[in-house]
Amino acid sequence: GENVEQHPSTLSVQEGDSAVIKCTYSDSASNYFPWYKQELGKRPQLIIDIRSNVGEKKDQRIAVTLNKTAKHFSLHITETQPEDSAVYFCAASRGYGQNFVFGPGTRLSVLP
Amino acid sequence: DGGITQSPKYLFRKEGQNVTLSCEQNLNHDAMYWYRQDPGQGLRLIYYSQIVNDFQKGDIAEGYSVSREKKESFPLTVTSAQKNPTAFYLCASSPQGAGQETQYFGPGTRLLVL
Repeated sequence: GENVEQHPSTLSVQEGDSAVIKCTYSDSASNYFPWYKQELGKRPQLIIDIRSNVGEKKDQRIAVTLNKTAKHFSLHITETQPEDSAVYFCAASRGYGQNFVFGPGTRLSVLP
Repeated sequence: DGGITQSPKYLFRKEGQNVTLSCEQNLNHDAMYWYRQDPGQGLRLIYYSQIVNDFQKGDIAEGYSVSREKKESFPLTVTSAQKNPTAFYLCASSPQGAGQETQYFGPGTRLLVL
């Protein structure tokens, strides 16, 4: 089955700096890769996703890149702000009708 | 994701007791999911259902049971066979269909053992 690894497990950056979180997956049939942000005690919220027919997707300060050959995808947050502090989870799925396999999460702290 | 509700917010279980967690959605989504999250950990799939009256086991189904009698509802029962039930339980739903893979989460139920 699918296995998703995520690094780093914790990340501290200064406000205004960039943050990068990387995930690798094992199932070459996976074709949908969402990223979720979870604040303490709250539900995970989708922040961006990418499908395997696209190499990069951007939404304001957030971007995701996908390398299908190497089976890894990354989340990039630019100009970080204290409200970006949260746990971020990546996931992989074979798409429609298939389940998500989540990475273990990255705790991001943005220091003022 | 405001259309997915879970209740109660906190639930206490006594030794040997079965408890049921509620999950309701008014998004007309076909698929529903239950995840367990332990402190500092990722999400692990307990059960999922892609259609009414049908559901499948996830990675950690032992000690849990579900039903899907209505499209809107997917309750999870934590049975006395689940020896370590303390966790944060998240329900999710997705619309299904090509290009509709995204899962939307409810606010969660925190289960504690007395």
